[in-house]
Amino acid sequence: KAGVTQTPRYLIKTRGQQVTLSCSPISGHRSVSWYQQTPGQGLQFLFEYFSETQRNKGNFPGRFSGRQFSNSRSEMNVSTLELGDSALYLCASSLDPRDQPQHFGDGTRLSIL
Amino acid sequence: GDSVTQMEGPVTLSEEACLTINCTYTATGYPSLFWYVQYPGEGLQLLLKATKADDKGSNKGFEATYRKETTSFHLEKGSVQVSDSAVYFCALSGTGNQFYFGTGTSLTVIP
Repeated sequence: KAGVTQTPRYLIKTRGQQVTLSCSPISGHRSVSWYQQTPGQGLQFLFEYFSETQRNKGNFPGRFSGRQFSNSRSEMNVSTLELGDSALYLCASSLDPRDQPQHFGDGTRLSIL
Repeated sequence: GDSVTQMEGPVTLSEEACLTINCTYTATGYPSLFWYVQYPGEGLQLLLKATKADDKGSNKGFEATYRKETTSFHLEKGSVQVSDSAVYFCALSGTGNQFYFGTGTSLTVIP
């Protein structure tokens, strides 16, 4: 079956803009989590959604937000972009929050100029 | 809170050498433990997992044993190949089923 699909694969933005990233989970998976990966900080948890509800949130500013739709697809939005937001954003899905492990997409590489 | 500490890299080995990447964890309760691998330009792939103490996860020649007494989950392989070159992440699923990842260890295997 198809894996986790993230679009777009690459994005270039400038400071102050906003961006929306999309994640389509594996068919049947209802839990979606987002991570930010940078060389300096490694993998940092952003948030987790299950059945359109945010279950957990990491330690990121309010500029980072997300949502999940009824078909389990998820989007994350970053407003007022900063240079430090340049990163690989990874999405992972699982059947539900108790189902392990998580299955990852290939990520969206966001570059801020 | 829950956390994972793994060996700093990068690690460079010759083909057929033995590999050990150390991973220790801090968690309340009884977490599940994982090793993920990330190849260049790709997301993370599950390599192996263990869900309770003394479990041994294994896949593609890699092994790791869940040691509760030492709170460790070290990754081992007896003979590495060039194709094993990647970044390896130790992770746990802890409180509230939230995942915590180590910082990753880069492995390069040279012919």
